[in-house]
Amino acid sequence: GAGVSQTPSNKVTEKGKYVELRCDPISGHTALYWYRQSLGQGPEFLIYFQGTGAADDSGLPNDRFFAVRPEGSVSTLKIQRTERGDSAVYLCASSLRGGGETQYFGPGTRLLVL
Amino acid sequence: KQEVTQIPAALSVPEGENLVLNCSFTDSAIYNLQWFRQDPGKGLTSLLLIQSSQREQTSGRLNASLDKSSGRSTLYIAASQPGDSATYLCAVRLPSGTSYGKLTFGQGTILTVHP
Repeated sequence: GAGVSQTPSNKVTEKGKYVELRCDPISGHTALYWYRQSLGQGPEFLIYFQGTGAADDSGLPNDRFFAVRPEGSVSTLKIQRTERGDSAVYLCASSLRGGGETQYFGPGTRLLVL
Repeated sequence: KQEVTQIPAALSVPEGENLVLNCSFTDSAIYNLQWFRQDPGKGLTSLLLIQSSQREQTSGRLNASLDKSSGRSTLYIAASQPGDSATYLCAVRLPSGTSYGKLTFGQGTILTVHP
């Protein structure tokens, strides 16, 4: 079946602009995760959804970052007033129930803030 | 705070060699540990998941071991092939609680297998 998909695959924006990144999880997966990966580093956790609610948002770096999952499927990561330091690959993952199972990752969105 | 370290940062070997990648973590109270592979410009592909109660997992030419008490895991790749060239990441998951779903990753080992 289809895996996790993310759009856009690449996004170039200017400092101060607003961006939205979209994640389509594997159908039927109730858990959804966002991570951010800087060049040469491992992914860093941002937020974890169980259904429609954020079970853990402790990784969001500041209040410019916000994520939603209104119907428990597709999720959108929103970044306001982008800064050059936000440039990274944003990865989305999903798992069947959340917790201890394997997380399946999408290809990521490469964000470049000029 | 859980920290995960991977050694070496990069490794280059000739085809056919057996090799070991190392992962260490500071908090031994983990729920499980997962090894991933990441190809350039791509997402992560799960290779092996070891529960905290397990000592090892095997899949084909891959074998992952876990020594929770010492905070270490190794990924053993037998008879390496050029197609194994990628970045290998290990990640740990804490026990139940609000951070239950969160993975903490190492920085990865870049593996190059040359013909």
